[in-house]
Amino acid sequence: TQLLEQSPQFLSIQEGENLTVYCNSSSVFSSLQWYRQEPGEGPVLLVTVVTGGEVKKLKRLTFQFGDARKDSSLHITAAQPGDTGLYLCAGMLDSNYQLIWGAGTKLIIKP
Amino acid sequence: DSGVTQTPKHLITATGQRVTLRCSPRSGDLSVYWYQQSLDQGLQFLIQYYNGEERAKGNILERFSAQQFPDLHSELNLSSLELGDSALYFCASTAQAQGINSPLHFGNGTRLTVT
Repeated sequence: TQLLEQSPQFLSIQEGENLTVYCNSSSVFSSLQWYRQEPGEGPVLLVTVVTGGEVKKLKRLTFQFGDARKDSSLHITAAQPGDTGLYLCAGMLDSNYQLIWGAGTKLIIKP
Repeated sequence: DSGVTQTPKHLITATGQRVTLRCSPRSGDLSVYWYQQSLDQGLQFLIQYYNGEERAKGNILERFSAQQFPDLHSELNLSSLELGDSALYFCASTAQAQGINSPLHFGNGTRLTVT
């Protein structure tokens, strides 16, 4: 069974703090996507990382794909209340292009 | 707006009943995915269609079925409903059957409550 373990499951921090969310697996991915989901809405794609070691920045969000393409991280600098949401990672398996989803990180940023 | 339309937005029904959830994919997208999401949980993949054909199957119960029509809209049928089927059901579309850079465009979901 291919698993994508996401941690932490829940994180509640003060505005202005930094945080990192992790996605780890023993499987190799051809790409990994990060989505954010707000209450009452569907997930929205934030970024796709494709190359091992790749780093992508989206304003205060930094995404990194592991060198071996088995893990990824999302780092948020100076978190804002608007960053509140459910963050989901999804990896596309190298072997069969099946998309595997992490269980999500529920992030709450308190003003 | 993702361009993916799901109806109805909310559905309340009783155990043992049958419901149909509808999805219109983004214009030009040929592939439709169905997902189930329980409260504050991740997404459970149910089934994927590409241009009318079933492409991949996930953890879909035998009581559930789906199809994609020639106009590319899709329907998810849930029958003999149980309390545990209460969840958000999302439809997502993408242009390709699969691929490295095929982001999914999600609808806003149908919230199903089984009483």
